[in-house]
Amino acid sequence: AQSVTQPDIHITVSEGASLELRCNYSYGATPYLFWYVQSPGQGLQLLLKYFSGDTLVQGIKGFEAEFKRSQSSFNLRKPSVHWSDAAEYFCAVANDYKLSFGAGTTVTVRA
Amino acid sequence: EADIYQTPRYLVIGTGKKITLECSQTMGHDKMYWYQQDPGMELHLIHYSYGVNSTEKGDLSSESTVSRIRTEHFPLTLESARPSHTSQYLCASSSPGTSYNEQFFGPGTRLTVL
Repeated sequence: AQSVTQPDIHITVSEGASLELRCNYSYGATPYLFWYVQSPGQGLQLLLKYFSGDTLVQGIKGFEAEFKRSQSSFNLRKPSVHWSDAAEYFCAVANDYKLSFGAGTTVTVRA
Repeated sequence: EADIYQTPRYLVIGTGKKITLECSQTMGHDKMYWYQQDPGMELHLIHYSYGVNSTEKGDLSSESTVSRIRTEHFPLTLESARPSHTSQYLCASSSPGTSYNEQFFGPGTRLTVL
């Protein structure tokens, strides 16, 4: 079955600095990939998704992700982080009509 | 407004009690899911349904049960709650009409069993 790995458990970044969160997937064909964000005590909100086509995907809140087949990666980026971006970020891959999630990366934003 | 709702948001209950966590969606989605998430941890699929009268167990074994009598409603029941059931439970839904496998999540129910 398809799976994803998020190598970074916790990242601390200064407000205004750039952010990159890593996600690696294992799948033979072109995967359907997602990034979700979870604020404390909340459900998950979809940031962006990749199905096919352009490998650079734009999402909400100024986030983007790039699909790289050669590296089996789907990394999430934001050029300038805001304090409100402090949250848990989950990468996910589709397995039929189900999703398999990575362990998540906690992002802390310091002033 | 189309949305997905979960009640209660927080529940503290004693061991041995029967509880039902409610999940409803107004988007007309045919597929619904229940995930269990411990604090700071990944989500584990415990139940899913692809339509009315269809329920399946997920990847993580759970003592809870679910039912799908109406399209919009997917309640989760614990017959006898135990401290090991303490966790956050997230409900989600999706539809073939949306982007493939894109799931929409409710706000979650945080359950504490004393």
